[in-house]
Amino acid sequence: QSALTQPASVSGSPGQSITISCTGTSSDVGGYKYVSWYQQHPGKAPKLMIYDVSIRPSGVSNRFSGSKSGNTASLTISGLQAEDEADYYCSSYTSSANVVFGGGTQLTVL
Amino acid sequence: EVQLLESGGGLVQPGGSLRLSCAASGFTISSYAMNWVRQAPGKGLEWVSAISDSGGSTYYADSVKGRFTISRDSSKSTLSLQMNSLRDEDTAMYYCARAVGSGWSKSDYWGQGTLVTVSS
Repeated sequence: QSALTQPASVSGSPGQSITISCTGTSSDVGGYKYVSWYQQHPGKAPKLMIYDVSIRPSGVSNRFSGSKSGNTASLTISGLQAEDEADYYCSSYTSSANVVFGGGTQLTVL
Repeated sequence: EVQLLESGGGLVQPGGSLRLSCAASGFTISSYAMNWVRQAPGKGLEWVSAISDSGGSTYYADSVKGRFTISRDSSKSTLSLQMNSLRDEDTAMYYCARAVGSGWSKSDYWGQGTLVTVSS
């Protein structure tokens, strides 16, 4: 199973909005609603930010939102804050009863 | 408060074995599917294995199938990962994580990880 495709890096200024894409195939992202997004700060465990494409877990800021169109899922962060600077990973359930992650996107807040 | 605490990592030679444990507290482990996810140094996340909430179904990444075994001891609230025939490429931080929502493929609580180093 190939990893999902994410941009290696994105950046934005405080207050701006950014979107991170996650492209897969009809066997993973396009075929299921089970797309998730994780935030990981250096040296820390991942934190679930979005699951089932667009559901925000309790405690996650509503500045984070998720969507999907075809084989591509997206994570949008609005009102960018310094604390949002981290690595972001998407993941998806697959037709092989596996989970595949994206390669990760490093978000820099300028 | 939900807590997950991994243990059992360390240095092992190629071809060797290691058993990781994850002590769960703050929830009933038998009511949730659980996952193991790893991260090689400086690399991205890689899903390793999952066990269903009933414990009756297990799932493995192709890279570990036939070498790793996931199990759960509900009486001890412990998740385990038996790792055999270890390879250099298994070197990573191993996280246990609790699944959320329907299915088992996404995790809301994660431990801090235990480091496995495979090297001669």
